[in-house]
Amino acid sequence: AQTVTQSQPEMSVQEAETVTLSCTYDTSENNYYLFWYKQPPSRQMILVIRQEAYKQQNATENRFSVNFQKAAKSFSLKISDSQLGDTAMYFCAFMKPNTGNQFYFGTGTSLTVIP
Amino acid sequence: DAGVIQSPRHEVTEMGQEVTLRCKLISGHNSLFWYRQTMMRGLELLIYFNNNVPIDDSGMPEDRFSAKMPNASFSTLKIQPSEPRDSAVYFCASSLPPVADTQYFGPGTRLTVL
Repeated sequence: AQTVTQSQPEMSVQEAETVTLSCTYDTSENNYYLFWYKQPPSRQMILVIRQEAYKQQNATENRFSVNFQKAAKSFSLKISDSQLGDTAMYFCAFMKPNTGNQFYFGTGTSLTVIP
Repeated sequence: DAGVIQSPRHEVTEMGQEVTLRCKLISGHNSLFWYRQTMMRGLELLIYFNNNVPIDDSGMPEDRFSAKMPNASFSTLKIQPSEPRDSAVYFCASSLPPVADTQYFGPGTRLTVL
């Protein structure tokens, strides 16, 4: 079974600063996908960024980037120049291909951006 | 293009009543996932379908819960009879494996059972 662990239940960051959210996972698979989803107070689950395990290059989407360490099974999310709109729950997720896209989610990290 | 559509957005009902939650997939998607989110248990996968066929329903809490896909674009999640512990936010999500690996979530239905 795949497990995803987010060890930081809550975090805060000053506006315009940088914050890193951690995620580790456990799998025996070699090929898989990893995701970060954001859930603001509106409850909508929004895809932030995705990473294919076979790609060594870390994914980047504007102010969001990941540090993917395959050997360590670590997938952290870095948010640069934090904005008030980044305040949300952030979920890390693992997906093994050819399983109908079944996701395994972590328990989430609640991020608060302080003005 | 419209995203995943869920209805109702909010549902308040009394214990023992039947509840039906509805989900419309993104056009062309063929995988459908139902999740339940609570403070205590986080985000739990209840069941998922691929091409209208239920693939894994091991997350369905008990026989009071049932899910169907009567056609390729629509799904229902029914709770009968409902209980206060069923109160949660229920999400559905769709995807199109293997072309697109990402799951796209609907806005969720907040269910309160009194």
